[in-house]
Amino acid sequence: KNQVEQSPQSLIILEGKNCTLQCNYTVSPFSNLRWYKQDTGRGPVSLTIMTFSENTKSNGRYTATLDADTKQSSLHITASQLSDSASYICVVSTAGNNRKLIWGLGTSLAVNP
Amino acid sequence: IAGITQAPTSQILAAGRRMTLRCTQDMRHNAMYWYRQDLGLGLRLIHYSNTAGTTGKGEVPDGYSVSRANTDDFPLTLASAVPSQTSVYFCASSDSTRGDTGELFFGEGSRLTVL
Repeated sequence: KNQVEQSPQSLIILEGKNCTLQCNYTVSPFSNLRWYKQDTGRGPVSLTIMTFSENTKSNGRYTATLDADTKQSSLHITASQLSDSASYICVVSTAGNNRKLIWGLGTSLAVNP
Repeated sequence: IAGITQAPTSQILAAGRRMTLRCTQDMRHNAMYWYRQDLGLGLRLIHYSNTAGTTGKGEVPDGYSVSRANTDDFPLTLASAVPSQTSVYFCASSDSTRGDTGELFFGEGSRLTVL
């Protein structure tokens, strides 16, 4: 069964600290993996996309990694800011003719002053 | 730049009533989607449309219907609302006919409460 699991479920950190969010997937055949940020009361917004051949990709203070062998991805946030408080959702796309998006449940991050 | 516009922002309605959630995009994307988001269940696909004139069922289509008369509009209708349809509904679009691998652009959501 195609699944995407994220950890931790929630996380509280102090402003300025770094954190890493995890995404493990059992999706086959794999096409790509995206991280979305969802602010409270808003729709999700794409942060980055990882394809099979990419190991690391940065978007400002956000750095995503992908290990296609172990089927794991991480999202590292550097020097966190209050505006980073949000839910971070990992979604994996299948390949082939019947492509589907498999969504994780998200990690809720709170950055406190 | 509006992107995806959803209406209403929130609505309370009685069980058994008919309700249409509106979604309009100005990006000329060919693919559009309706998701519901519930605590502990994440985003679940209700219906999708790969191009104007075609629609398909997602993961949780029962009790919902959609139409895609043109590229920009993708309304979601609840024919007879039930309390289990209380949720936050998100409309999204993407610019690929194989939209499952394209970036999804989401609206701000419609919060629906069925009593």
